[in-house]
Amino acid sequence: EAGVAQSPRYKIIEKRQSVAFWCNPISGHATLYWYQQILGQGPKLLIQFQNNGVVDDSQLPKDRFSAERLKGVDSTLKIQPAKLEDSAVYLCASSLNRGDTEAFFGQGTRLTVV
Amino acid sequence: ILNVEQSPQSLHVQEGDSTNFTCSFPSSNFYALHWYRWETAKSPEALFVMTLNGDEKKKGRISATLNTKEGYSYLYIKGSQPEDSATYLCAFPSYDKVIFGPGTSLSVIP
Repeated sequence: EAGVAQSPRYKIIEKRQSVAFWCNPISGHATLYWYQQILGQGPKLLIQFQNNGVVDDSQLPKDRFSAERLKGVDSTLKIQPAKLEDSAVYLCASSLNRGDTEAFFGQGTRLTVV
Repeated sequence: ILNVEQSPQSLHVQEGDSTNFTCSFPSSNFYALHWYRWETAKSPEALFVMTLNGDEKKKGRISATLNTKEGYSYLYIKGSQPEDSATYLCAFPSYDKVIFGPGTSLSVIP
């Protein structure tokens, strides 16, 4: 079974620029998560989708972050404009359903904002 | 707000030492607890899913125990090896989301 795919693996941008990350979850997984992991901290949930609907985006900084999951499969996470404090690893994960099964993670995108 | 805590935040041990760390979670409405190992530049990898009070799971030199009444789980590593160096995360599924602890960063010194 193919795992969760994310791209790019690494990205370096200047502050105030825009960036987008892409995630392809495991086939058949209804739930998709985007996490932000800042060095020294645990992953923080940014947004959770159930199929193509948003379940939780309470910790998403909506003034600069946006995410979509068109057709309930692939997802993109965008930051516009980026700030220095956005430097982190952005992890995408998927699970069969909401909160009740193991989540499978992609390798993450390491973003550095300079 | 549900809180999942882990201690210690980081740990440095010599190769061959045994070690353990703790995950604390809300004891009410328990469903399951997940342990993950996250090595640098790799995906977090699931270690254990624990569901029953008193559960004990083992995978090689790594084992975990669960106490749902008091809201904690211990992860043990026997005879640590350099390849055990990673961040160990616990995660608590709550209704419709998964809440992660901050992780314990383990470094095993050869």
